[in-house]
Amino acid sequence: QSALTQPASVSGSPGQSITISCTGTSRDIGGYEYVSWFQQHPDKGPKVIIYDVSNRPSGVSSRFSGSKSGNTASLTISGLQTEDEADYYCASFTSINTWVFGGGTKVAVL
Amino acid sequence: VTLRESGPASVKPTQTLTLTCTFSGFSLTTGGMSVSWIRQPPGKALEWLAHIDWDGDQYYTTSLKTRLTISRDTSKNQVVLTMANMDPVDTGTYYCARTKTDFYYHGMDVWGPGTTVTVSS
Repeated sequence: QSALTQPASVSGSPGQSITISCTGTSRDIGGYEYVSWFQQHPDKGPKVIIYDVSNRPSGVSSRFSGSKSGNTASLTISGLQTEDEADYYCASFTSINTWVFGGGTKVAVL
Repeated sequence: VTLRESGPASVKPTQTLTLTCTFSGFSLTTGGMSVSWIRQPPGKALEWLAHIDWDGDQYYTTSLKTRLTISRDTSKNQVVLTMANMDPVDTGTYYCARTKTDFYYHGMDVWGPGTTVTVSS
């Protein structure tokens, strides 16, 4: 299974909204509503911020939202804050009962 | 729910790496539960490696399938990953994570802190 495709970096100013895309195939993103997004700060472990395409775990800010169209999932961060500066990874279930991650996107708050 | 990885901090090239994930707060025999292993080379992306399900079924990433073995000891609440023929490119942080596929949640929801493995002669 090939890694999902994410932009290497996205940047925005405080208060702005940004969107990170995650493109796969019909055998992963397009075939299931099982896309997760993870936030990872430097030297820290990943933290799930979106699961099942658009659901937020308890305690995750409502500024994070997820969606999906066809083979592409998206994470939107609204009201960008300096603490949002981190790496973001998407992940999807696949047709062979495995999981696959994206290559990661570094978010910079200018 | 907690998970913690353990294993050697370093191995030599061609050796076999054995990592143990010890977990608490859930049962791996409950329907929909599984434990995944994920790794991350320094400065690089996360890579899913394998998972073992509540019924003992094992699944592996295609590119490393011939080198990986995942097993479980439900009495000890442990999942073991072995990776054969280690190479310096396998250097990185290895995580285990609870993975759920039930009516309410599909994915890796709780992660261990990770364990760092260096492959060097």
